Amino acid sequence: NAGVMQNPRHLVRRRGQEARLRCSPMKGHSHVYWYRQLPEEGLKFMVYLQKENIIDESGMPKERFSAEFPKEGPSILRIQQVVRGDSAAYFCASSPRTVSSGNTIYFGEGSWLTVV
Amino acid sequence: DQQVKQNSPSLSVQEGRISILNCDYTNSMFDYFLWYKKYPAEGPTFLISISSIKDKNEDGRFTVFLNKSAKHLSLHIVPSQPGDSAVYFCAASASDMRFGAGTRLTVKP
Repeated sequence: NAGVMQNPRHLVRRRGQEARLRCSPMKGHSHVYWYRQLPEEGLKFMVYLQKENIIDESGMPKERFSAEFPKEGPSILRIQQVVRGDSAAYFCASSPRTVSSGNTIYFGEGSWLTVV
Repeated sequence: DQQVKQNSPSLSVQEGRISILNCDYTNSMFDYFLWYKKYPAEGPTFLISISSIKDKNEDGRFTVFLNKSAKHLSLHIVPSQPGDSAVYFCAASASDMRFGAGTRLTVKP
């Protein structure tokens, strides 16, 4: 399967714990995007990364959330001290080039975070 | 900020009829528009797109129309089939891609 791989698919955390969500983009894709879907809501942009660089993090909450896309390995979305409101589906997508070139982005299956 | 808006949260149509899903945007810098389809517990999948220099793009039963002056696009599905039942997201891209809130389409047999 050469698609975007996300893990874990489901994650349960207690309030105050840390959540780490991983995303391996499609082969040859160097652009990664993270989106969050809250229950009964649409896809909210969080962050756009290129290898080792954060290009746009305007959708990311200022506190507790961080993202990285290292030279080697998957992209990581990290949520510290989780709260119930962080419960959501987190989708990662990737593209081979910038979307300004008219490229589509390809989504993973999502990671469902539940905070209890 | 809601740069891409889908004002209808749901739509129900009869099998064989036309489904029309609408989308409005505010950012005139968007130069590419896309529709994605999403089934429950799965990631969105790309359906069809249109460049800002065009006003129509057709792919089988799916046609996307773009009205730049009105900052409006629509997705037409004809004829609609029960398997089309899903959530449809409108997206627009400039330096990154922004999505609307989605419209849940139900096609009744």
